[in-house]
Amino acid sequence: KNQVEQSPQSLIILEGKNCTLQCNYTVSPFSNLRWYKQDTGRGPVSLTIMTFSENTKSNGRYTATLDADTKQSSLHITASQLSDSASYICVVSDRGSTLGRLYFGRGTQLTVWP
Amino acid sequence: EADIYQTPRYLVIGTGKKITLECSQTMGHDKMYWYQQDPGMELHLIHYSYGVNSTEKGDLSSESTVSRIRTEHFPLTLESARPSHTSQYLCASSDRWGGPYEQYFGPGTRLTVT
Repeated sequence: KNQVEQSPQSLIILEGKNCTLQCNYTVSPFSNLRWYKQDTGRGPVSLTIMTFSENTKSNGRYTATLDADTKQSSLHITASQLSDSASYICVVSDRGSTLGRLYFGRGTQLTVWP
Repeated sequence: EADIYQTPRYLVIGTGKKITLECSQTMGHDKMYWYQQDPGMELHLIHYSYGVNSTEKGDLSSESTVSRIRTEHFPLTLESARPSHTSQYLCASSDRWGGPYEQYFGPGTRLTVT
């Protein structure tokens, strides 16, 4: 069964600190992995998209890593800001269908305190 | 921010009413999607469209229906709302699928059926 599991479910950190969010998946055949940021009451916004051949990708203070062999990804946030408070969703796409089906994790709820 | 819009943003309605959730995008994308998301849970695809006059049901069974008469417009209709339809509905679009395509989300409609 194709699944995407994220940990931790929730995380509280102080402003200025770093944190790392984890994603494990069983989706096969693998096409690409995305990280989205979803603010409360808003739609998800893409942070990074990585294909099989990419093992790290950065977008400002966000750095995603991918280990396609162990089917794990992480999202590292550097020097957190209050505006980083949001849900971070890991999404994996398969290449077994024309649609490129997306499998969504339940997200990690990050809260940044001043 | 992506040019994809949803109205209304919030809707509280009584059981048995017919409702239409509006979604429009100005990016000229052929592919459009409807997702359902409950709090703390993953997004589930309920409908998608390849283009004008082409719609398909997604992975999650839904009593809603969709239409695609114009490229930019992808409304979702519930003929008779029930409390079990209470959820957040997210519309998305993309210019292609398969591979690392970008999917852009609207802000969502929070539906409450009393």
